[in-house]
Amino acid sequence: EDQVTQSPEALRLQEGESSSLNCSYTVSGLRGLFWYRQDPGKGPEFLFTLYSAGEEKEKERLKATLTKKESFLHITAPKPEDSATYLCAVIGASGTYKYIFGTGTRLKVLA
Amino acid sequence: DVKVTQSSRYLVKRTGEKVFLECVQDMDHENMFWYRQDPGLGLRLIYFSYDVKMKEKGDIPEGYSVSREKKERFSLILESASTNQTSMYLCASSKVDGYEQYFGPGTRLTVT
Repeated sequence: EDQVTQSPEALRLQEGESSSLNCSYTVSGLRGLFWYRQDPGKGPEFLFTLYSAGEEKEKERLKATLTKKESFLHITAPKPEDSATYLCAVIGASGTYKYIFGTGTRLKVLA
Repeated sequence: DVKVTQSSRYLVKRTGEKVFLECVQDMDHENMFWYRQDPGLGLRLIYFSYDVKMKEKGDIPEGYSVSREKKERFSLILESASTNQTSMYLCASSKVDGYEQYFGPGTRLTVT
């Protein structure tokens, strides 16, 4: 069964304290892995798509990487405005357009 | 920029009422989706549509129906609202040949 697990569930960082969020996946024939940011009470905002192991994408303080079993979202020198829930999703070979979502990591960055 | 809009941010309905949630996208996307999001359960797919008048059941279609009469508009219908349908409802769209889904702001539905 296709599955996505995100860890940790919640993370508190001091401003400037770099860290990584993990997304482990089990899927047959990965077509794509997606990262989203979601602020409270709002819809998810698209961040990155990764298609194959070894691929990396960067945007401001965020960098996403992909291996054959997991993806990391690295946050470098975070600021309070990076506080949000970060969601990971995958599409497998059998999924057509159906995402399989993880339950997210709630990140809080303290000033 | 892709824009997906939803008809209401907050909605309160009574048990047994028929509820319509509307979603409009302005990027000519072929695919549209309805999800619900609940604490601890994440996002779950209710229905998706890959073309006008075409639809496919997601993981939790029971108690819901959908309508897509125009390419830009996708409606979710709760035939007879129940308290267990209290949730955040999210609409999304994507290109037919691309996988990124773009989400609307969500509708927080409360059924009392």
